[in-house]
Amino acid sequence: AQSVTQLGSHVSVSEGALVLLRCNYSSSVPPYLFWYVQYPNQGLQLLLKYTSAATLVKGINGFEAEFKKSETSFHLTKPSAHMSDAAEYFCAVSDQRGNQFYFGTGTSLTVIP
Amino acid sequence: KAGVTQTPRYLIKTRGQQVTLSCSPISGHRSVSWYQQTPGQGLQFLFEYFSETQRNKGNFPGRFSGRQFSNSRSEMNVSTLELGDSALYLCASSIGQVDYGYTFGSGTRLTVV
Repeated sequence: AQSVTQLGSHVSVSEGALVLLRCNYSSSVPPYLFWYVQYPNQGLQLLLKYTSAATLVKGINGFEAEFKKSETSFHLTKPSAHMSDAAEYFCAVSDQRGNQFYFGTGTSLTVIP
Repeated sequence: KAGVTQTPRYLIKTRGQQVTLSCSPISGHRSVSWYQQTPGQGLQFLFEYFSETQRNKGNFPGRFSGRQFSNSRSEMNVSTLELGDSALYLCASSIGQVDYGYTFGSGTRLTVV
């Protein structure tokens, strides 16, 4: 069965600093991995996805993530945080049929001016 | 291209009543999934429909049901509402391919009093 673990329910960074949000997955087969962002009172927006092509995936708003099979990780990074990045971030893994996502518990990112 | 539309955005119901939530997917998307989001439980999968057939179901009681119409629009019904059903209900649509990912709507905020 698939699952994801997000380390750190709350992360605070200064504006302009590196953003690193951690996600580890558990999957018995090669996974499909996704990062979503949720702003207050809104739905989830897809940031990026890993689908077994390039291990370094670039997404929207300057975010990227690297798939590391040896570490079963898919951490999300952004070189320089912006105030508008403050939101809840969710890592998710899809089952092999694509019928269901298993979400992590989310990481709330605060950007300090 | 229009996104995923969920109606209504906000709903207040009394315990014991029933409620129907609606979701219109992106044009051409044949897969619709429903998720419940609460502060305590996070994002939990309810069910997924593809071409009017329920393909997958989460671990929710039978009071939660859904259906999908021939135009891919979907409805979710909750009967005999309980206080614990208060949540943000998110609908997501996809073309149905495992690596495509889902596009989420803004959700329906249900409050049971």
